[in-house]
Amino acid sequence: SAVISQKPSRDICQRGTSLTIQCQVDSQVTMMFWYRQQPGQSLTLIATANQGSEATYESGFVIDKFPISRPNLTFSTLTVSNMSPEDSSIYLCSVGGGYGGYTFGSGTRLTVV
Amino acid sequence: DAKTTQPPSMDCAEGRAANLPCNHSTISGNEYVYWYRQIHSQGPQYIIHGLKNNETNEMASLIITEDRKSSTLILPHATLRDTAVYYCIVRNDSWGKFQFGAGTQVVVTP
Repeated sequence: SAVISQKPSRDICQRGTSLTIQCQVDSQVTMMFWYRQQPGQSLTLIATANQGSEATYESGFVIDKFPISRPNLTFSTLTVSNMSPEDSSIYLCSVGGGYGGYTFGSGTRLTVV
Repeated sequence: DAKTTQPPSMDCAEGRAANLPCNHSTISGNEYVYWYRQIHSQGPQYIIHGLKNNETNEMASLIITEDRKSSTLILPHATLRDTAVYYCIVRNDSWGKFQFGAGTQVVVTP
């Protein structure tokens, strides 16, 4: 299965600023997914990122707040914009599909102060 | 994709089998059952998946009822390192995304 490297692993940010999270995969993948996990909660899908097309966002998530780039088949970024304390969460990227399972990165733990 | 229902928590004694139930009564014929677990502060880890036949791998066994409306994940000999949140997910395997439910918090005690 694919190996995912996510950066940064954690960060503490000031409200009103933005943070870009990177997801690097060791093999080419068609679909990448971004999830948010708020404290004590399950994972919530933010968007699906396919190379060469705009990301598809789930209900409750908008591009202005969570812009996503997918410049090639091994890399994607998620930006959390104009952050508030409510954005404090773990953000995870995931790849895979088909008849196998999905692989998840170890996540980015974001604290907004 | 069909929704799943799991108990919020379970305790299990170390060395004993852990049987984790999942209800997916609205599952359709082309939807697979996946199990993942998330150990604290880590990303979710794939355990096993199946369509209608029982499946076994080095981590666990998956038992799916004949009507496919429910399934059970079996950890044959639970260890303390199996303490985690276990997620049962139903998905059409030809394409698409995972939607996670609340999962079951499993605590393995000595």
